[in-house]
Amino acid sequence: DAKTTQPTSMDCAEGRAANLPCNHSTISGNEYVYWYRQIHSQGPQYIIHGLKNNETNEMASLIITEDRKSSTLILPHATLRDTAVYYCIVRVADNNNDMRFGAGTRLTVKP
Amino acid sequence: GAVVSQHPSWVICKSGTSVKIECRSLDFQATTMFWYRQFPKQSLMLMATSNEGSKATYEQGVEKDKFLINHASLTLSTLTVTSAHPEDSSFYICSATTTRGLFSPLHFGNGTRLTVT
Repeated sequence: DAKTTQPTSMDCAEGRAANLPCNHSTISGNEYVYWYRQIHSQGPQYIIHGLKNNETNEMASLIITEDRKSSTLILPHATLRDTAVYYCIVRVADNNNDMRFGAGTRLTVKP
Repeated sequence: GAVVSQHPSWVICKSGTSVKIECRSLDFQATTMFWYRQFPKQSLMLMATSNEGSKATYEQGVEKDKFLINHASLTLSTLTVTSAHPEDSSFYICSATTTRGLFSPLHFGNGTRLTVT
């Protein structure tokens, strides 16, 4: 799977939008972009995934650049409970495939 | 939907004993399950992949005789840490997916914190 690059940490004010970037410049055509987050001492929680179109669900929006070399996860109105480590992962569209985690971005939402 | 349950959520054991961790898919048939390990302040590291009814595939550097994985049914996989030592103390997390139906993301359990004394 392609590697991803994320900033080590970010801060965000409560109520503001949190924009988390991810670079995946070597992504292949059949690889999806996934975002997960991990709140302290819990298992990773699925947030959203996409191939090339922008995606939105009840948790977040995913913006993927036209060349697919980078993406941004947007939490529209961050709350204190969104403080977590956010992982951007690329994965081939095959259910047998595992998921390899990088270091992620530690997002701290501040009051 | 797509709930993965792990048990126990934490366990303390003495050095030299064995510990079994269970991972269950509650509302879907998990044809493939993955086991991860996470040390403090580090990311998740894949340990092994198990497909129902067949032997697990271990990542390089993971001892298959020490970390026994059984995936005997479509809803249950177990990880047994044999002859545990303090360096095996870690957060163990399972995830599950299905090859039946549409392509889907992995869903993770809430992890098991193992402390070996």
